[in-house]
Amino acid sequence: QVQLKESGPGLVQPSQTLSLTCTVSGFSLTSYNVHWVRQPPGKGLEWMGRMRYNGDTSYNSALKSRLSISRDTSKNQVFLKMNSLQTDDTGTYYCTRDESHWGQGVMVTVSS
Amino acid sequence: DVVMTQTPVSLSVSLGGQVSISCRSSQSLVHNNGNTYLSWYLQKPGQSPQLLIYKVSNRFSGISDRFSGSGSGTDFTLKISRVEPDDLGVYYCGQGTQYPYTFGAGTKLELK
Repeated sequence: QVQLKESGPGLVQPSQTLSLTCTVSGFSLTSYNVHWVRQPPGKGLEWMGRMRYNGDTSYNSALKSRLSISRDTSKNQVFLKMNSLQTDDTGTYYCTRDESHWGQGVMVTVSS
Repeated sequence: DVVMTQTPVSLSVSLGGQVSISCRSSQSLVHNNGNTYLSWYLQKPGQSPQLLIYKVSNRFSGISDRFSGSGSGTDFTLKISRVEPDDLGVYYCGQGTQYPYTFGAGTKLELK
């Protein structure tokens, strides 16, 4: 059974760095792509970036200067790091296996 | 970036009725490989988005045949027939042809 679960801090201070982990099961990270998508409260979806099955990464150019996606295949984990957080980075962050399987999401609030 | 324009913003429907949602892209979604990566998602209140349709017209595993997708190039439609209570929520179209992947702003389906 394919599962993805996001984890990380619920509260981050402005200008600090967000670190999230997506732990997957039921499939191999070397066979499927994993994406990060976020959603501000009450708003739509924004694609952030992708870890390809072969280890390549792609980023939304709007976030590229602040964003890094990496993985540890031995732990079945994909990581998101984003620096210089501001209040408009508040929202729910999802990891997905391509477009088909989504995690439950993790709510991140940027506030002092 | 490819802009995805969904109409209408909201839709009221009676149970058992039929509705259509339109999604238009600012550029053709035909990939160099010949595939068109246009997907439809439903986000129910408090839940993660779930995939309904991929590559324009292919129903994802377990999705009812009451949902159908059509279109080509820049113009796409999702039709829902015999609407049930569990169909209510926000519908998004999304494209995976060009980076950055982008989504429409959503169409909220409500009961009349």
